[in-house]
Amino acid sequence: DAGVIQSPRHEVTEMGQEVTLRCKPISGHNSLFWYRQTMMRGLELLIYFNNNVPIDDSGMPEDRFSAKMPNASFSTLKIQPSEPRDSAVYFCASRYRVANTGELFFGEGSRLTVL
Amino acid sequence: TQLLEQSPQFLSIQEGENLTVYCNSSSVFSSLQWYRQEPGEGPVLLVTVVTGGEVKKLKRLTFQFGDARKDSSLHITAAQPGDTGLYLCAGSGAGSYQLTFGKGTKLSVIP
Repeated sequence: DAGVIQSPRHEVTEMGQEVTLRCKPISGHNSLFWYRQTMMRGLELLIYFNNNVPIDDSGMPEDRFSAKMPNASFSTLKIQPSEPRDSAVYFCASRYRVANTGELFFGEGSRLTVL
Repeated sequence: TQLLEQSPQFLSIQEGENLTVYCNSSSVFSSLQWYRQEPGEGPVLLVTVVTGGEVKKLKRLTFQFGDARKDSSLHITAAQPGDTGLYLCAGSGAGSYQLTFGKGTKLSVIP
């Protein structure tokens, strides 16, 4: 299996532009998570999907952030408009079971820089 | 929100030394996981502990879950340069899907 695949790996954009990050989870996994990592705040959970349905988006910073999962093999995280404080590494992770002891498999991350 | 505090934040040691890093919380967790993250990559699971007092060993790494399930430690014996990385603990509450991460301990092992 190729693992969790994220794109792009790096994105540099200007303030006010729209950013779309993409994720392909491991086939057969029914749970998908979006995390954001910064030096100051560490790994923060943004949103969680179970069977393609958003379960909890309370971690999404504000209305500028939105996430979708149209099918079991694809998810997007969109920021519109982007701001410099959104600069971070964004990780997608998937898990086979809902059970909280299940291993989370992370992608390699998308490093976003907003100028 | 359940918070996990990890200490130390940074640790630099010589190859061959032993070390312990800590993960503490005021909350009780039903399970706790340790991940290691290398630069430019996502975290990778090392171990999951679920029972208070549980000890698990992974080669030179020993993981312990506190009796009250509020804290955990990771001990590395005879550290090697390949152990260099960011060590993250992550906990889940009972019945919760959510995995809360600590900020991590950044370990550097100098040859």
